[in-house]
Amino acid sequence: QVQLVQSGAEVKKPGASVKVSCKTSGYTFTSYVITWVRQAPGQGLEWMGWINTYNGNTNYAHKLQGRVTMTTDTSTSTAYMELRSLRSDDTAVYFCARRIAAVGTMPDYWGQGTLVTVSS
Amino acid sequence: QSVLTQPPSASGTPGQRVTISCSGSSSDIGSNTVNWYQQVPGTAPKLLIHSNNQRPSGVPDRFSGSKSGTSASLAISGLQSEDEADYYCAAWGDSLNGPVFGGGTKLTVL
Repeated sequence: QVQLVQSGAEVKKPGASVKVSCKTSGYTFTSYVITWVRQAPGQGLEWMGWINTYNGNTNYAHKLQGRVTMTTDTSTSTAYMELRSLRSDDTAVYFCARRIAAVGTMPDYWGQGTLVTVSS
Repeated sequence: QSVLTQPPSASGTPGQRVTISCSGSSSDIGSNTVNWYQQVPGTAPKLLIHSNNQRPSGVPDRFSGSKSGTSASLAISGLQSEDEADYYCAAWGDSLNGPVFGGGTKLTVL
């Protein structure tokens, strides 16, 4: 069965960096794009960007460009999202999700989420 | 502020039919298909409807979706207590080259 399993909760100080992992199984990793979405406490879903696991191409949300990097390790079918220069408003649950590698397709399976807390 | 517009809340009694609306523009809903996700607080979103009106395997046929122009709606018939959750619409955003989401609708089963 398809599974996306994310790394555990993190607590970081303002200005630090965080790297969240998303280990996948149950499907061919390079046939799907990994999308990252975050959800601030009590808020809705915010798209952060995606990475094409086949060729490494990325597309980041404009507001995060320069602070976010998405990578993959195809040998372990794992995706990573690193966010730098953390601020208090980066406190959120971060989700990875897969979608078919075609323009216009939307996520189907999601990871369980990783809570990142930014606090001094 | 979310790109797609949903009512913040909806409610109904067990057995009732409720609908949740989602409004967008020509560069998202108007030119792409709509998905709906159900999220129980503290858990990951679950795909409920894809391609405007298609239910993934395992989703009860009480849930249905529709789209017209730049708007979409989710209907839940025979409302059950377990349907109490947050519901999000989503569509591909042409200008973003990524998905755009609604702000979510909190469904309460009275």
